[in-house]
Amino acid sequence: GNSVTQMEGPVTLSEEAFLTINCTYTATGYPSLFWYVQYPGEGLQLLLKATKADDKGSNKGFEATYRKETTSFHLEKGSVQVSDSAVYFCALSAWRNKLVFGAGTILRVKS
Amino acid sequence: NAGVMQNPRHLVRRRGQEARLRCSPMKGHSHVYWYRQLPEEGLKFMVYLQKENIIDESGMPKERFSAEFPKEGPSILRIQQVVRGDSAAYFCASSPSFSGQIKYEQYFGPGTRLTVT
Repeated sequence: GNSVTQMEGPVTLSEEAFLTINCTYTATGYPSLFWYVQYPGEGLQLLLKATKADDKGSNKGFEATYRKETTSFHLEKGSVQVSDSAVYFCALSAWRNKLVFGAGTILRVKS
Repeated sequence: NAGVMQNPRHLVRRRGQEARLRCSPMKGHSHVYWYRQLPEEGLKFMVYLQKENIIDESGMPKERFSAEFPKEGPSILRIQQVVRGDSAAYFCASSPSFSGQIKYEQYFGPGTRLTVT
């Protein structure tokens, strides 16, 4: 079946550090891949997406590349800010556009 | 353009009561998805609806849970005879209609946090 595996957190970084959150997936067919961000007490916001192999999604300094050969979609940002502290979810769209989520990774950025 | 609306934001029910969660999709969106987030876990798909139709309810518990999306009004997720294990955040998402290989991202509401005492 379809599944998403994310690196466990929490990830704690100092401001301006480089961020990588690993995400790998198992899927039949050619899913679209997403990163969502959840701030405390709020719903999920779409951060970026990629719909086919080798696509790079990017937004607000975050980026991720759809790697079919390694079934990965790692999230990166060159310089994190305190305001980036949140929970990050990797997800894929399965049959009927249902989203399958990873467990989420807590990111804490210290000033 | 208003986003996805959910109400109430917080709901407290005693064991055995009923919980009704409402979701109004974004304007122009005809597809609604419900997800549940248990404490310290990711979101799990529950049900996918279009107007007046349940398309996929493979993630719904077999008993006590039901969902609808009437021709007029919001989508409703109904939980009868709630138990403590139902305590969770319930998120609704909506998307435009799609066909074939085109898939549209889902836009999420702020969620309803259900606490069963």
